[in-house]
Amino acid sequence: EAQVTQNPRYLITVTGKKLTVTCSQNMNHEYMSWYRQDPGLGLRQIYYSMNVEVTDKGDVPEGYKVSRKEKRNFPLILESPSPNQTSLYFCASSYVGMNTEAFFGQGTRLTVV
Amino acid sequence: KQEVTQIPAALSVPEGENLVLNCSFTDSAIYNLQWFRQDPGKGLTSLLLIQSSQREQTSGRLNASLDKSSGRSTLYIAASQPGDSATYLCAPLEHGSGAGSYQLTFGKGTKLSVIP
Repeated sequence: EAQVTQNPRYLITVTGKKLTVTCSQNMNHEYMSWYRQDPGLGLRQIYYSMNVEVTDKGDVPEGYKVSRKEKRNFPLILESPSPNQTSLYFCASSYVGMNTEAFFGQGTRLTVV
Repeated sequence: KQEVTQIPAALSVPEGENLVLNCSFTDSAIYNLQWFRQDPGKGLTSLLLIQSSQREQTSGRLNASLDKSSGRSTLYIAASQPGDSATYLCAPLEHGSGAGSYQLTFGKGTKLSVIP
């Protein structure tokens, strides 16, 4: 089954403790991205990757890092999480191109206390 | 910068009614537009993708239209069912800030409740 898999689904952590949210897709998509969803603000893009070793900032990259060492994986790293990073995070993937459909993971609900 | 507005923010209808959800966007230079469904605490499920050259796309009881020049898209749901209750999001795809990149910009969604 074609899917985007995020782990963990739920995470509670303390301020400053480094964490990684993993994202994996099995559709051989070149393009992967991370979004955060907050009440009243909607979904906003954090980082994206056009292909292996090619990443770039989205609209809200501060406080986040990403890497793309393999085509299928695109982890999101919070080096020093803060309470304002409490949010619902989504990973997405698609083929590169103008007429492609984006597929989303099930989301990771992160709480930073 | 692209801005996407969805009206209404919330909608409650009795089962069986036909309904229309609206999406407007400010920059008409889009490549395509996707409609998604989001159930509470869940991920986004793609419902329909309309290419910029298309006017309509249909899947089952769902029909989406796109008027790129006026910056509007609508999602029509026929014979609504309680299982249709969810938040519906529209997202036009446009050129991103990086060379050769693309970006989806999301509206805040319409929360639909279908009452049995």
